[in-house]
Amino acid sequence: DVKVTQSSRYLVKRTGEKVFLECVQDMDHENMFWYRQDPGLGLRLIYFSYDVKMKEKGDIPEGYSVSREKKERFSLILESASTNQTSMYLCASSERGKNSPLHFGNGTRLTVT
Amino acid sequence: DQQVKQNSPSLSVQEGRISILNCDYTNSMFDYFLWYKKYPAEGPTFLISISSIKDKNEDGRFTVFLNKSAKHLSLHIVPSQPGDSAVYFCAATGSYQLTFGKGTKLSVIP
Repeated sequence: DVKVTQSSRYLVKRTGEKVFLECVQDMDHENMFWYRQDPGLGLRLIYFSYDVKMKEKGDIPEGYSVSREKKERFSLILESASTNQTSMYLCASSERGKNSPLHFGNGTRLTVT
Repeated sequence: DQQVKQNSPSLSVQEGRISILNCDYTNSMFDYFLWYKKYPAEGPTFLISISSIKDKNEDGRFTVFLNKSAKHLSLHIVPSQPGDSAVYFCAATGSYQLTFGKGTKLSVIP
């Protein structure tokens, strides 16, 4: 079974803090993704990566950056957290191939105060 | 511009009856469609998919129908069970990037 692990279930940070969200997958998947889920807005893609050190912007990359130094780990960075970044963040991974289903982690609920 | 639309935010169905969840898309480049199910406090899990070369795909109680001319797909759950109560997301892709709908919350009433 694929396991995607997000390091924190809940985080509370202050406005202006630098925030790191970590994600690790154990199935040697090439592709990794970061989404945020907000009520009434569904899942929106922030960034994705199809290989180590590669990254591509999704639909809403502003205010975020990512890092993929190792194949199994994909980090989402909020350079200076703002209250509008309060959300549920979901990491996912998939095999190479554009129709491979995504496997999601359980999410990190981030609150920025 | 919303490329994948789930126009019903919620749906209630009696246990044992059929649940039909609908999804519309606007992008003609989409050629692969998926449904995900999400329970509270968990990540979405993949349920079923369909390629644009097919019009139907079945997996146990779950069937997805695709009408390309109408740019419409639907997920049928028969018979519905209380454990099916969750948020269902429709997703579509023509590349590496999945585009999700906003979700439909299904409640199956015992």
